Amino acid sequence: ELKVEQNPLFLSMQEGKNYTIYCNYSTTSDRLYWYRQDPGKSLESLFVLLSNGAVKQEGRLMASLDTKARLSTLHITAAVHDLSATYFCAVPHNAGNMLTFGGGTRLMVKP
Amino acid sequence: KAGVTQTPRYLIKTRGQQVTLSCSPISGHRSVSWYQQTPGQGLQFLFEYFSETQRNKGNFPGRFSGRQFSNSRSEMNVSTLELGDSALYLCASSLWGGRGSTSYEQYFGPGTRLTVT
Repeated sequence: ELKVEQNPLFLSMQEGKNYTIYCNYSTTSDRLYWYRQDPGKSLESLFVLLSNGAVKQEGRLMASLDTKARLSTLHITAAVHDLSATYFCAVPHNAGNMLTFGGGTRLMVKP
Repeated sequence: KAGVTQTPRYLIKTRGQQVTLSCSPISGHRSVSWYQQTPGQGLQFLFEYFSETQRNKGNFPGRFSGRQFSNSRSEMNVSTLELGDSALYLCASSLWGGRGSTSYEQYFGPGTRLTVT
């Protein structure tokens, strides 16, 4: 059974600081997804990582994938208040689009 | 390009009733997946439909069912509602059809918030 674990589950940080969210998964996968969710809203796609060593960056967020370690990281650089949200990683099963999600990391960026 | 649409957005039902939720994927997308989100269980996969066929099914009781129409629109039905079915139901739309596909993005709709009283 595929398990996806994120840590930390909650992160409170000051504006301007850097931090990393970790996503571990239990079985091999060639893809990993990162999503953002604002309170009461749906999921917004941030990144799709497709291969070992893949790195993608968008603004202050950078995601990477190590398929051998079954680990993905989401690095936040110089955090701003607008980044406050819950971040989810998700891993697909081999067939189709069935995603198993991590428990989410609730990020609060304080001014 | 229009995004994923879900109707209704909010729904209040009584225990024992049944409910049908609708999802219209992005034009050209043939895969529709459904997820349930609750504070206690997080995001859980319900089922996926591709070209009118159920391709994957999550670990939910038979009260949860779905279908997909020839225009790729999908519906999910929950019969004999229980209080624990109160959740945000999200559908996701994707181009990805299997090995050899090159588009892996999954786009989520705004969700239907179901409250069971």
